[in-house]
Amino acid sequence: DAGVTQSPTHLIKTRGQQVTLRCSPKSGHDTVSWYQQALGQGPQFIFQYYEEEERQRGNFPDRFSGHQFPNYSSELNVNALLLGDSALYLCASSITGTGTYNEQFFGPGTRLTVL
Amino acid sequence: AQRVTQPEKLLSVFKGAPVELKCNYSYSGSPELFWYVQYSRQRLQLLLRHISRESIKGFTADLNKGETSFHLKKPFAQEEDSAMYYCALHLGGAQKLVFGQGTRLTINP
Repeated sequence: DAGVTQSPTHLIKTRGQQVTLRCSPKSGHDTVSWYQQALGQGPQFIFQYYEEEERQRGNFPDRFSGHQFPNYSSELNVNALLLGDSALYLCASSITGTGTYNEQFFGPGTRLTVL
Repeated sequence: AQRVTQPEKLLSVFKGAPVELKCNYSYSGSPELFWYVQYSRQRLQLLLRHISRESIKGFTADLNKGETSFHLKKPFAQEEDSAMYYCALHLGGAQKLVFGQGTRLTINP
């Protein structure tokens, strides 16, 4: 099991463009969360997907949207890119179970640069 | 509002010396706290969680609800402990984590 995988590794876009980032969860996991990590900061929660629905959302504008597919993989879409969207985007997968917390396993991230 | 604060961005200690990475949180509910670690060129990974009360790689962390703290400690630092450490708060009801800004720990030989 390769664990959580993300593509692409790096991406350069210009302001106003749109971008799609992809994530494949760890085998057996059904829940995908996305985080944005700006330089020198900790990861910040964007949203979480479970059963192909957005279950939780952080304090991010509607320009950030996502999708989860039947195979549990997920996409993060960002429209009308701003310079401030430049960051490392992390995907984390987990299993939604009966416990209060199920460990999130993180991918290597996609580094997005907006020029 | 829920918040996690790690007051030290950088921490440097000598090999064999004790290490303490500070973490304070703000949360009105019953907190679940974690320490995540990121070694050089590796992905973010869970180090330990307060409910398990276990020692991982010699590290321990005790939840102090009175002081709203969850400091990470190790009595004798090793060079392989050099990494980025993040304290994180799990918000009940969802698997959402609130992270601190991280502390870069450097162990000098």
